Amino acid sequence: KAGVTQTPRYLIKTRGQQVTLSCSPISGHRSVSWYQQTPGQGLQFLFEYFSETQRNKGNFPGRFSGRQFSNSRSEMNVSTLELGDSALYLCASSLRGENTEAFFGQGTRLTVV
Amino acid sequence: AQKVTQAQTEISVVEKEDVTLDCVYETRDTTYYLFWYKQPPSGELVFLIRRNSFDEQNEISGRYSWNFQKSTSSFNFTITASQVVDSAVYFCALKGNYGGATNKLIFGTGTLLAVQP
Repeated sequence: KAGVTQTPRYLIKTRGQQVTLSCSPISGHRSVSWYQQTPGQGLQFLFEYFSETQRNKGNFPGRFSGRQFSNSRSEMNVSTLELGDSALYLCASSLRGENTEAFFGQGTRLTVV
Repeated sequence: AQKVTQAQTEISVVEKEDVTLDCVYETRDTTYYLFWYKQPPSGELVFLIRRNSFDEQNEISGRYSWNFQKSTSSFNFTITASQVVDSAVYFCALKGNYGGATNKLIFGTGTLLAVQP
């Protein structure tokens, strides 16, 4: 069974640009969450999608957005990139329900220059 | 408020030593879930264990064991006879009820474990 796939693995962007990251969850998983990991702030929750609906959102500016498609694949978009957006962005997929674990992809390393 | 504290930033041990990683959590939820993840240099978070708040039974899985104590809000993780391959950052995480079904995880700051040969 394939794991969580994130593309691209590495990305270098310039300040002010926008970027789109992609996540394909484990087959059968309909919940997708996104996290940002930085040395200073650690792992922080961005948002969660289930059945194409955003179910929960972390404390990030509106420049960070996401969506989920009918096949459960998800994308997150960051507009007007800032240097501080440089981070490892991790996607996690889960079955529905509280008593379940999340499985993570290898992440997309975004560097903003 | 939900919070996870991993006071140990870095631990260094010699191979075959036992090592315990500490995790203390805060939550007002009566039902919640605790997790341990391992993050090797490749970056992927690898799921290790899930524990429900209503199940305080401790668990042993090979060289890994977990000690969950609600009275002290702790969920500690022990590696017995550590190996170089155990070197990684270990994260403790909490998932609460938040008034509805959600998979949002609150992570601790992680503990970097270095196992020397």
